[in-house]
Amino acid sequence: VLTQSPGTLSLSPGERAILSCRASQSVRNTYLAWYQQKPGQAPRALISDGSKRATGIPDRFSGSGSGTDFILTISRLEPEDVAVYYCQQYGALPWTFGQGTKVEIK
Amino acid sequence: QVQLVQSGADVKTPGASVKLSCQSSGYTFTTYYIHWVRQVPGQGLEWMGMINPSGGSANYAQKFQDRVTMTSDTLTRTVFMDVRSLESQDTAVYYCARDQQRWTFSGALDIWGQGTMVTVSS
Repeated sequence: VLTQSPGTLSLSPGERAILSCRASQSVRNTYLAWYQQKPGQAPRALISDGSKRATGIPDRFSGSGSGTDFILTISRLEPEDVAVYYCQQYGALPWTFGQGTKVEIK
Repeated sequence: QVQLVQSGADVKTPGASVKLSCQSSGYTFTTYYIHWVRQVPGQGLEWMGMINPSGGSANYAQKFQDRVTMTSDTLTRTVFMDVRSLESQDTAVYYCARDQQRWTFSGALDIWGQGTMVTVSS
């Protein structure tokens, strides 16, 4: 089970956003991904293997962590970052997702 | 441009079946696994299973093992998912997504289709 916190994050533009994803068991080989889902859109890959940015993802997005605790950091929040962010483990079948963190702009 | 294009929205009655499609373009179809993920309105993401388009072998989440079949057609570069015995709780957006790893699967998904809304209602 992946538990994400907080449920909702409300920040001003330019602030740093820190999103947490905690696994109930250690995630093998840091097989942890992050996805961004904007309203009415399909998810978009941000990070894989815990910290590898997907092609075209701005460097203000970064992933870190290992074992059971993972973090997605958005270093300087921009209005277009409003979305729900999901973590996903792919270290063991079945792949599972966290419940999501909603990021809002104040 | 790598792209997955899914079939249009569908409405079904309880007990019916639905067959969803996902057509790929912009890459070699047989070299990347395709996964299916669903999202009940207002809720999170749920992995349903994956298929190797080369050969057609599939692996399903236990929850869907008895009701889902995934197939592929290399001629049309299309993956299909058949969901049987639909219930109202199956009302969801169904996404296909490509595995990021070539030749094998990793579980990380790099390209997503636009989604297909399936409504199950009497």
